[in-house]
Amino acid sequence: DGGITQSPKYLFRKEGQNVTLSCEQNLNHDAMYWYRQDPGQGLRLIYYSQIVNDFQKGDIAEGYSVSREKKESFPLTVTSAQKNPTAFYLCASSITGKVDSNQPQHFGDGTRLSIL
Amino acid sequence: AQSVTQPDIHITVSEGASLELRCNYSYGATPYLFWYVQSPGQGLQLLLKYFSGDTLVQGIKGFEAEFKRSQSSFNLRKPSVHWSDAAEYFCAVAGYSTLTFGKGTMLLVSP
Repeated sequence: DGGITQSPKYLFRKEGQNVTLSCEQNLNHDAMYWYRQDPGQGLRLIYYSQIVNDFQKGDIAEGYSVSREKKESFPLTVTSAQKNPTAFYLCASSITGKVDSNQPQHFGDGTRLSIL
Repeated sequence: AQSVTQPDIHITVSEGASLELRCNYSYGATPYLFWYVQSPGQGLQLLLKYFSGDTLVQGIKGFEAEFKRSQSSFNLRKPSVHWSDAAEYFCAVAGYSTLTFGKGTMLLVSP
């Protein structure tokens, strides 16, 4: 079955550590996205990539980094510069980066990151 | 910049009763609008979308939404709620290459 796989489902980080969240898709989608979800805040865009080897900052990119070396993979690194990393992280993809293509975003099941 | 307001943080509905979740958007051009549903600890599932044409849009699981340009609204409705509909619902509006989400409405279903 085609879909988006996020791993791990739960992740714990010590203060001062960088951690990387994995997102893989086998939908052959060009565009991929990372969102952060906090209770009562909805989803906020961290980074997005419309095509391989290209990505743009979203609304809350500070303290995060990404890479897009392969079409199917868009890992997110939460760096020690992110002062409040505890949250639920969602990865999504869409056929193209243009939402007027009539193709919506598809979501993975998320990774919950907690600080020890 | 676009924005989405979901005025109700929580709504409780009796099983079998009708449901309407409110969504108001702000966008300078013709909006592309979406409703997603999220069960606890899961990702988001698309319920329905509006791009153009008929202002009443049918979705999965018996949901529908009506686009009203004059009111900048895109309210989600269901005629008879089932206990399995308890979840959080998000309205979203599309910009050129990203989505902007509302803060969500948590639906509780009472027996």
